Amino acid sequence: DAKTTQPPSMDCAEGRAANLPCNHSTISGNEYVYWYRQIHSQGPQYIIHGLKNNETNEMASLIITEDRKSSTLILPHATLRDTAVYYCIVRMYNNNDMRFGAGTRLTVKP
Amino acid sequence: SQTIHQWPATLVQPVGSPLSLECTVEGTSNPNLYWYRQAAGRGLQLLFYSVGIGQISSEVPQNLSASRPQDRQFILSSKKLLLSDSGFYLCAWSVLRQSGNGNTIYFGEGSWLTVV
Repeated sequence: DAKTTQPPSMDCAEGRAANLPCNHSTISGNEYVYWYRQIHSQGPQYIIHGLKNNETNEMASLIITEDRKSSTLILPHATLRDTAVYYCIVRMYNNNDMRFGAGTRLTVKP
Repeated sequence: SQTIHQWPATLVQPVGSPLSLECTVEGTSNPNLYWYRQAAGRGLQLLFYSVGIGQISSEVPQNLSASRPQDRQFILSSKKLLLSDSGFYLCAWSVLRQSGNGNTIYFGEGSWLTVV
């Protein structure tokens, strides 16, 4: 699976959009981009995933660049409850492994 | 809808004692099942995964073992715990569909194990 690079930490003001970047320059054509988050002392929560096209669901939007070498997770209106560690993962759909890196610690401030 | 249950939520065990963590999934059939561990301040580490009853793949050599006695039941065990076994243990599931779904993995709430 391709490796990912994320900033270790970010801050965001409550009510503003949180944009979390992820670099995955070695991604292959059949690898998906997944985003999870982990609130302290809880299991990781699935947020969204995509292959080539931008994706949106009730939690967030995923923007993937045309060359697929990077992506951005967007939380449109961050709340204090969005404070968590966010993980960007790249893997093939039939790979039974899901390797988490260090992620980005997002702190939403009032 | 699918749900995953994992228990116990927390436990404190002495060194050398046995361990049994249990996980069940509801609302789906023939899922892939996983056990992960997260040591304090570190990322997740895949320990075991299973694609069917009695089929277990181990990712890391250790004194832990896993079993899948039923389709939606996954058990993590140890005969003798070590101090280094302390951590946050997570059960997870997925269903391998056509590529468009991406085989999303969903996690349980986790079990905190402290070996003393």
